[in-house]
Amino acid sequence: DGGITQSPKYLFRKEGQNVTLSCEQNLNHDAMYWYRQDPGQGLRLIYYSQIVNDFQKGDIAEGYSVSREKKESFPLTVTSAQKNPTAFYLCASRGNINTEAFFGQGTRLTVV
Amino acid sequence: AQSVTQLGSHVSVSEGALVLLRCNYSSSVPPYLFWYVQYPNQGLQLLLKYTSAATLVKGINGFEAEFKKSETSFHLTKPSAHMSDAAEYFCAVSETYNKLIFGAGTRLAVHP
Repeated sequence: DGGITQSPKYLFRKEGQNVTLSCEQNLNHDAMYWYRQDPGQGLRLIYYSQIVNDFQKGDIAEGYSVSREKKESFPLTVTSAQKNPTAFYLCASRGNINTEAFFGQGTRLTVV
Repeated sequence: AQSVTQLGSHVSVSEGALVLLRCNYSSSVPPYLFWYVQYPNQGLQLLLKYTSAATLVKGINGFEAEFKKSETSFHLTKPSAHMSDAAEYFCAVSETYNKLIFGAGTRLAVHP
């Protein structure tokens, strides 16, 4: 089955630690996205990538980093510089600008 | 720069009543517009999309939306609400560089 997979579903992090969220797609999509979701704030764009080895900052990139070494994979690292990382993180992919994005099931990150 | 405004963070309707969820966009070029639905702790699912063909777009589960350029609106409607429609709904706009921006969301409650 084609789709987009995020792992893990739940993640706990100690303060001061970096943590990496996985996102993999087998839809052959060029574009991939990371969003952060907080209650009442909708989805805010962290980073997006239009093609392998290229990515752009979204609206809230501070404290996050990404890589796009393979078309299928777009991992997100939440660094210790992110002061309020507890949130629901969603990854998405799509083929081009006029097609819909497909979403993973999300990763809920909690700082303990 | 593109942006999306969803009026009303919470909407409550009776079962069988009309559903109207509002979305206004800002875009310097003709946009591509999308409506998504999200159930708790899940990813987003596409309801419908506007890609410059017909201005009245029909989607899944009886939802439809009308693109009105003069009002920069893309409101979502359903003639008769069902209990299973209770969820959070997001409007999104796609413009240049494959950037995909979401509104803050509207939580729909359906009561008997």
